[in-house]
Amino acid sequence: DSGVTQTPKHLITATGQRVTLRCSPRSGDLSVYWYQQSLDQGLQFLIQYYNGEERAKGNILERFSAQQFPDLHSELNLSSLELGDSALYFCASSVGGGRSPLHFGNGTRLTVT
Amino acid sequence: DAKTTQPPSMDCAEGRAANLPCNHSTISGNEYVYWYRQIHSQGPQYIIHGLKNNETNEMASLIITEDRKSSTLILPHATLRDTAVYYCIVKKTSYDKVIFGPGTSLSVIP
Repeated sequence: DSGVTQTPKHLITATGQRVTLRCSPRSGDLSVYWYQQSLDQGLQFLIQYYNGEERAKGNILERFSAQQFPDLHSELNLSSLELGDSALYFCASSVGGGRSPLHFGNGTRLTVT
Repeated sequence: DAKTTQPPSMDCAEGRAANLPCNHSTISGNEYVYWYRQIHSQGPQYIIHGLKNNETNEMASLIITEDRKSSTLILPHATLRDTAVYYCIVKKTSYDKVIFGPGTSLSVIP
């Protein structure tokens, strides 16, 4: 158990809809990262937050947004969903400084029909 | 950021050592080498990291060449549960984007 909690584990929704994925980092971790992994594809970096502030951005679509709250949990919002957004979405956390490694949650599997 | 190159796939016999290579020829002096693995559809798991000295923990050993241009992850006694995709990453600090390449798909064969 990595200590990173992602909810929900599975999500099925229709095209055009909006969903919110939630991540609770490990206790004491200040950084949160979001990744997308489509079927048989690699891990695509979306965005990183540190203590509530955005620190790095990957190829995140404009239809996607994220934030990190004062209690350090994070949410990834996906809107105007398309079939191609079906994927595993992983959240990871780290202490946030120095050389601390990332610890990943078990992901949210999103299916858009 | 320095990039890494890994073989796309490898096989290893159960009980033998698995040696997974990684090339990072453009690594800079303050970049660490990290290894993660992902067992099918699970969240990636941190294995080990190092700067220039060899490192060992309960999961694996990391051997970094003296010029730091390559490294090898060693799983001393591979089991079927070690079948996974292994990722080698270099980065300076936790504020860097952490970019995963395609990794090496390791198959441990009975």
